[in-house]
Amino acid sequence: AQSVTQPDIHITVSEGASLELRCNYSYGATPYLFWYVQSPGQGLQLLLKYFSGDTLVQGIKGFEAEFKRSQSSFNLRKPSVHWSDAAEYFCAVGAGGSGTYKYIFGTGTRLKVLA
Amino acid sequence: NAGVTQTPKFQVLKTGQSMTLQCAQDMNHNSMYWYRQDPGMGLRLIYYSASEGTTDKGEVPNGYNVSRLNKREFSLRLESAAPSQTSVYFCASKSRGTDTQYFGPGTRLTVL
Repeated sequence: AQSVTQPDIHITVSEGASLELRCNYSYGATPYLFWYVQSPGQGLQLLLKYFSGDTLVQGIKGFEAEFKRSQSSFNLRKPSVHWSDAAEYFCAVGAGGSGTYKYIFGTGTRLKVLA
Repeated sequence: NAGVTQTPKFQVLKTGQSMTLQCAQDMNHNSMYWYRQDPGMGLRLIYYSASEGTTDKGEVPNGYNVSRLNKREFSLRLESAAPSQTSVYFCASKSRGTDTQYFGPGTRLTVL
């Protein structure tokens, strides 16, 4: 069965420090992978996505993610975190054909940024 | 272009009451989705509609019904609300031929 695991429920980093959020997936075929961010009280905003091609994808707000098929991972990174990055981050895999396509989400990682 | 809109933003119900959550998108998307978000559980799919006139169950459909009123609108109905349905509900939509879903701002529902 398809699944997405985000092993870290909470992460705290200092402003200016680097960040890596982990995401592991289980999916039989080539996955479509996504990272979304949710600021407090807000909806979900797409940060970046991977469908095929270059395994290092760039997103908005200075984020990037690397697809590693051998490790079934799609980790999100940012070289220098800003206080405004404090939010909850969700990894998702897109599964199914054109008539049944849907997302499977991880449980999320809540990021706290220390000034 | 408002994207995906949801009404209401907040709602408090008593156990046993019914209500309908409304969702509309103005992006001419074919597929629409309803999720619920609970602490520590991420987003779980309740129902989805791959195209106008079709609906299918997701991971957690019990206690809910949906209607794809037309291409723009996809409503979620709670016939007899229960405290376990206290959650934040998100609607999303997707265009045919793409794989990215766009989310509404959510409805925070409390069932007492």
